[in-house]
Amino acid sequence: QVKLVESGGGVVQPGRSLRLSCVGSGFTFYTYGMHWVRQAPGKGLEWLTLISYDGKNKEYAESVKGRVTLSRDNSKDTLYLEMNSLRPEDTAVYFCARDHHTSGRGYFDYWGQGTLVTVSS
Amino acid sequence: DIQMTQSPSSLSASVGDRVTITCQASQDITNYLNWYQHKPGTGPKLLIFAGSNLGTGVPSRFSGSGSGTDFSFTISNLQPEDFATYYCQQYDNLPITFGGGTRVEI
Repeated sequence: QVKLVESGGGVVQPGRSLRLSCVGSGFTFYTYGMHWVRQAPGKGLEWLTLISYDGKNKEYAESVKGRVTLSRDNSKDTLYLEMNSLRPEDTAVYFCARDHHTSGRGYFDYWGQGTLVTVSS
Repeated sequence: DIQMTQSPSSLSASVGDRVTITCQASQDITNYLNWYQHKPGTGPKLLIFAGSNLGTGVPSRFSGSGSGTDFSFTISNLQPEDFATYYCQQYDNLPITFGGGTRVEI
């Protein structure tokens, strides 16, 4: 069955960096667009990034643009999100999600369970 | 950015009840509107896509309707496993945006 597993979360000091990973299994990873979405404590869902199936098209929310690097390694069925200059307001559970379309401009049909990032000194 | 106004923010209901949630977009999004269910400690689950289409394996007690700027989501015959938070999401324009969520409580 389709499975997405995030990892890489943890406690990090403000201004530092962190790389999140999302491994997909149970489907042909290289044929789907992928997203990152986060949920801050007590808040709703916030879309962050999308990447097309081949990694050629990437889009970012303004809240993270310029501070994150989005990539995927289709040979490893893995999606990455490198986050730099972390701020306390980046504290959240980070989810990866599969898009039903190759472009990443469709609906999110499967989600991972999330990884918690805490930015604190 | 397209703003998604979801209401109510929370509601109390009983097993067997019919529950309706509304979502209003700040501009016309045709039918590019999805609904998700989210339970603590898990990832959200797709329930409805493109306004009114049931996701794979989703029970028929869930339904969605609407187009343009006004959408609704209904759970008929509420079941114990349906107590969760529900979100609408538009994907017509970037950035993709979510409604604020509706917590359905016992």
